[in-house]
Amino acid sequence: DAGVIQSPRHEVTEMGQEVTLRCKPISGHNSLFWYRQTMMRGLELLIYFNNNVPIDDSGMPEDRFSAKMPNASFSTLKIQPSEPRDSAVYFCASSSRGKDTQYFGPGTRLTVL
Amino acid sequence: AQSVTQPDIHITVSEGASLELRCNYSYGATPYLFWYVQSPGQGLQLLLKYFSGDTLVQGIKGFEAEFKRSQSSFNLRKPSVHWSDAAEYFCAVGALETAGNKLTFGGGTRVLVKP
Repeated sequence: DAGVIQSPRHEVTEMGQEVTLRCKPISGHNSLFWYRQTMMRGLELLIYFNNNVPIDDSGMPEDRFSAKMPNASFSTLKIQPSEPRDSAVYFCASSSRGKDTQYFGPGTRLTVL
Repeated sequence: AQSVTQPDIHITVSEGASLELRCNYSYGATPYLFWYVQSPGQGLQLLLKYFSGDTLVQGIKGFEAEFKRSQSSFNLRKPSVHWSDAAEYFCAVGALETAGNKLTFGGGTRVLVKP
């Protein structure tokens, strides 16, 4: 299996621009998670989906952030407009339903200038 | 709500020496516990997990962890460290909710290995 795939791996953008991060979970997994990692706040869960339905988005910082999962093999995390404080590494993870292990993608390093 | 504390931000250990990383959790029910490792510029890789049963859990790369309910701890150990073990290590507790497994991570411990 290819594992969790994220794109792009690096993104540099200017403040105010829209940013879209993409994730392809492991085939057969039906839970998907978006995390953000920063030096100051560590690893934070932003949102997670089960069977393509958002279950808990309490970690989403504000309305500028949105996430979608149109089908079982694709999810996006969008930031519009982006701000310098959004600079972080964003990870996607997937798991089978229930208590199974979460498998992480390589992450997208976002820099907002 | 669950929480995880990793008291040591940095640990430096000599190659060949033993390593122990501390993890304390707070959770109202039986926890699901994980240790992940993150090498520089990489994603997180699962080292081991505890769901139930034997409280001493064996993982990959020669790591093991012991669940101690009375101390709310899940410390990670390795008898002899290799230079390739230099990385950041994260402990996490999972809450099995009705629709999925939500992980809460500790702040991480960065391990430096001296030659």
